[in-house]
Amino acid sequence: DTGVSQDPRHKITKRGQNVTFRCDPISEHNRLYWYRQTLGQGPEFLTYFQNEAQLEKSRLLSDRFSAERPKGSFSTLEIQRTEQGDSAMYLCASSLDFGASNEKLFFGSGTQLSVL
Amino acid sequence: AQTVTQSQPEMSVQEAETVTLSCTYDTSESDYYLFWYKQPPSRQMILVIRQEAYKQQNATENRFSVNFQKAAKSFSLKISDSQLGDAAMYFCAYRSYIHGGATNKLIFGTGTLLAVQP
Repeated sequence: DTGVSQDPRHKITKRGQNVTFRCDPISEHNRLYWYRQTLGQGPEFLTYFQNEAQLEKSRLLSDRFSAERPKGSFSTLEIQRTEQGDSAMYLCASSLDFGASNEKLFFGSGTQLSVL
Repeated sequence: AQTVTQSQPEMSVQEAETVTLSCTYDTSESDYYLFWYKQPPSRQMILVIRQEAYKQQNATENRFSVNFQKAAKSFSLKISDSQLGDAAMYFCAYRSYIHGGATNKLIFGTGTLLAVQP
């Protein structure tokens, strides 16, 4: 088990371009989360999947953002028409839902996005 | 809405000494969980310790322990015998009690950067 993997580690793009990030969770984990972390702040929840179903989206996730998790395995987060305010680190986390309170999140190392 | 506040942007400790990081939170809920996460330069968030609000006993994990004061809504982290590898950003986080497999959304504070001096 290699943990949660995110690709790319860094992404530099020009304003107005589209970007896509990928997250590979721990293989048996059925829950997957996306968080965004800006400089000097803690991570903020963006969205969450239970298997392939997207069950919750934060209001931070504007119409330019879309996330998918086909087949309940890896997930992608796409940002269309990027803006400078989108510059942040995008963290992915996964967990195994026991339906109980002992659920533990495992985080990836994030994708650092810089919009010029 | 719940909020988490960490009022110490930076802290410093000598190696082998003890340091306490502060965290306060605001909630109207009676059941919840509190966490401390460590984020080293590698950027990967690592769970340090967790506390269930219904438990009066403070959680401990080796050199890490918490002082949970529910009435005061305070949740501090004590690191004993500090080591160079403890240097990192530390985040306090809150999670509402889950019923029926609902979201596991965490609400984070702004973090405390801990430096460990040799």
